[in-house]
Amino acid sequence: QQPVQSPQAVILREGEDAVINCSSSKALYSVHWYRQKHGEAPVFLMILLKGGEQKGHDKISASFNEKKQQSSLYLTASQLSYSGTYFCGTETDAGNMLTFGGGTRLMVKP
Amino acid sequence: KAGVTQTPRYLIKTRGQQVTLSCSPISGHRSVSWYQQTPGQGLQFLFEYFSETQRNKGNFPGRFSGRQFSNSRSEMNVSTLELGDSALYLCASSLGWGAGNSPLHFGNGTRLTVT
Repeated sequence: QQPVQSPQAVILREGEDAVINCSSSKALYSVHWYRQKHGEAPVFLMILLKGGEQKGHDKISASFNEKKQQSSLYLTASQLSYSGTYFCGTETDAGNMLTFGGGTRLMVKP
Repeated sequence: KAGVTQTPRYLIKTRGQQVTLSCSPISGHRSVSWYQQTPGQGLQFLFEYFSETQRNKGNFPGRFSGRQFSNSRSEMNVSTLELGDSALYLCASSLGWGAGNSPLHFGNGTRLTVT
């Protein structure tokens, strides 16, 4: 079953923060995050594995709450380059493929 | 290192025809997966191949099929095309099979339009 992402869309000013959530009705083995800019391929951001971890690089980080079966992506001090559609992909068992959420469209304005 | 290459970039076909899409993975990657992307349905998983074997399959009708060659290149075939098959078809390669700790590297996709 497809994970649910929220919000569906968000508009920010440069420098503002955003949180994108991804919730699953099933227990998760891993969560992936990707960003897709208009007309381009999705680009990998990070993977979080079962065990409840938090990862980050630069001003983008993510958490994975295994018990709540959800993950959150945090974008701090947003830049124009952060604009795009963010997808979470969830894996329910090891060896399965990813099921992607419907995406969150993020627009950062000057 | 060259990225994932998909050909052709654009295709226009008529209902009832069949089509073959090609994907060349990143060198060294043995897993290739295919996704259909539409505005209404988002990214839908089609199938995954690893070492020439289909490892995972999504919920698509049998008109959608694929294969992988010994050099890891993959092809996807859609027979008896329907209008609803119009979509962007994305191929992604990764080192291992299954999602796990292997990031997916996507190609730029093949835009299929069925008229």
